[in-house]
Amino acid sequence: QSALTQPASVSGSPGQSITISCTGISSDVGSYKFVSWYQQHPGKAPKLIIHEGTKRPSGVSNRFSGSKSGNTASLTISGLQAEDEADYYCYSHVDSSMFGGGTKLAVL
Amino acid sequence: EVHLVESGGALVQPGGSLRLSCAASGFTFSKYWMAWVRQAPGKGLEWVASINLAGTEEYYVDSVRGRFTVSRDNAKNSLYLQLSSLGVDDTALYYCVRDHDAGYSWAYWGQGTLVSVSS
Repeated sequence: QSALTQPASVSGSPGQSITISCTGISSDVGSYKFVSWYQQHPGKAPKLIIHEGTKRPSGVSNRFSGSKSGNTASLTISGLQAEDEADYYCYSHVDSSMFGGGTKLAVL
Repeated sequence: EVHLVESGGALVQPGGSLRLSCAASGFTFSKYWMAWVRQAPGKGLEWVASINLAGTEEYYVDSVRGRFTVSRDNAKNSLYLQLSSLGVDDTALYYCVRDHDAGYSWAYWGQGTLVSVSS
């Protein structure tokens, strides 16, 4: 598994939807279950928001969703809210464990 | 409620050693993989090491293999990370993390303990 590449930053307006990509995921079908996403607000510990590629832990808003196409996993946040402004990281557990470089989301 | 509390972070000189601890509570510690994840100041997350339920399998990122050792004591509900031959690039906030029930992701995080390597 090569490095996981994320855009450095994305932005959107309240109410809009944004998508954060994570490229470098193994293209093996079964590998998708090893993808997870984390949200980190400044000065806080990261929080798991998507696991096994598409599943939301209990308590996580259904505005967050995960998907995959080829070797790219994606996190979509719909109905953007000011509180969504944070850093987002993908993580994959295939062959070796690694995080993507992180994406800073700005809600304008 | 799951709690992970790290300790042991400190300012150390290059080449020095340190032992981090993580006290776990609120769940059956012996039933979960555990790991350490670090974050250098202003930088992203980096997975450092993982350990299986019994402590018989250890995995490391290449940059720390041979210098860091992860271990656990299921009787004490504790996770450890022994750091040696520390370099300035090891300066980071070190998080203790617990596996998700379904595996493959890190569901619970401590607040971290800061390791600073400087002369």
